[in-house]
Order: sequence, then C-alpha cells, then structure tokens
Amino acid sequence: DTAVSQTPKYLVTQMGNDKSIKCEQNLGHDTMYWYKQDSKKFLKIMFSYNNKELIINETVPNRFSPKSPDKAHLNLHINSLELGDSAVYFCASSQDHPEPTQETQYFGPGTRLLVL
Amino acid sequence: AQKVTQAQTEISVVEKEDVTLDCVYETRDTTYYLFWYKQPPSGELVFLIRRNSFDEQNEISGRYSWNFQKSTSSFNFTITASQVVDSAVYFCALSEEYNNAGNMLTFGGGTRLMVKP
Repeated sequence: DTAVSQTPKYLVTQMGNDKSIKCEQNLGHDTMYWYKQDSKKFLKIMFSYNNKELIINETVPNRFSPKSPDKAHLNLHINSLELGDSAVYFCASSQDHPEPTQETQYFGPGTRLLVL
Repeated sequence: AQKVTQAQTEISVVEKEDVTLDCVYETRDTTYYLFWYKQPPSGELVFLIRRNSFDEQNEISGRYSWNFQKSTSSFNFTITASQVVDSAVYFCALSEEYNNAGNMLTFGGGTRLMVKP
C-alpha cells in the first residue's frame, strides 16, 4: 500500500547515457512533482504537473524532460547524462484543492543517481 | 522570492537531552504554510507537520513540539528527551503559490541532528 513509489531506487550509469526514473502515486492526488537533492542535501523543485499539465518548470536544463501519461504517474527522462546530474531525485504528490499552497506534499523514497 | 534559513547545520546531543531546531523564513505572502520534514539515514522524506500562517498556537505531538512566531518569522521544532532514533536531517519548508496555479516548497538547508547514546 505504498503511497508514492519510485523506480529504480538506485541508478548507476555512464556519462552521456539516457535514463528514466518512474514515479507512481496511489493517493488520488492531482499534482505531482520532481525535486532534486544535491550532495549537500539541498532540496530544490524541478517540475510540477497538475492533471497531466506542466505547471512548474524551474531552471532545469532541457536534457531533463518530465512526462505524465496520467495523473497517477510522472516520469523523468534525462538525456546525455553529466557528472553534475548525480543526486537524489524525489517524486512527490499533493492534492490541489481547496488551496494548493496548503496541501501537504508526500514524497517517494528517492532515486539515487550516480553518473560515472 | 521566498527563503527559508536553518542556521544550525549540525547539532549533536546526548540521548534524553532536549533539542530545538531553528527555522526562520521570509515571504511577502499574507497566507502561507510551513512544514517540517524528517530525513532519516535511510533517505526518505517523512512529513511531520503543517502549520498555516493564521494559527500561532503551539503544537505538541508526543515528544515533538513546534513553536510558530509570526512576529519573528520563525517556526522552531523541539524534541524533548531525544532518542537515538531521532537522528536524522530535519527540513523546514515554506509553501509558495506558483503563477496562480501550482504549489512549490522552498526548503531550508536542513539541520543534521545526531543523538548519541
């Protein structure tokens, strides 16, 4: 009965490769997010989707492309991986009503990406 | 732009001591929400509490308590009688509306709490 799940949990790959991380939530939430946590533990939002529509797209290289096939899924595809992409990527979800800012975001377990 | 500052990067205490984690925030919004999350060594982010800007009552949940003071823009977190299992990184976060549509969390840099037996 996992609420927000991510696969894979660990991802080790070579520079230049393309990889995807999948996220699914079974909470019935309308909004999903991707956050990046760097080596110093700093967490920053990357993207947000509401009902399959892109809402937030922070200053992220366009090598990163989110895709939401339905409101329960938000995948992250990364092209031409670079060393600096090594981080932990967290997926999260929340309701969007009655007021988006008050809704709690629930996080997945994280995907630890290491680019060699 | 909103900002959350957790000035204490690392705190070390001995079990059973009380410890307070500080959080100071900046926002231009009159209505906003504050959160605390725990990140244990296993790495997941665990939601602890949400507080809205209109409710300045302190909250207590077991050994955890939160003190929200709008006048000083602070939302501090106290653990009473700390235990080894409390060892984690704790994040304070502020919720911000984005372009009248989305909602994003601005996180502080985190405080690593180490509780020694």
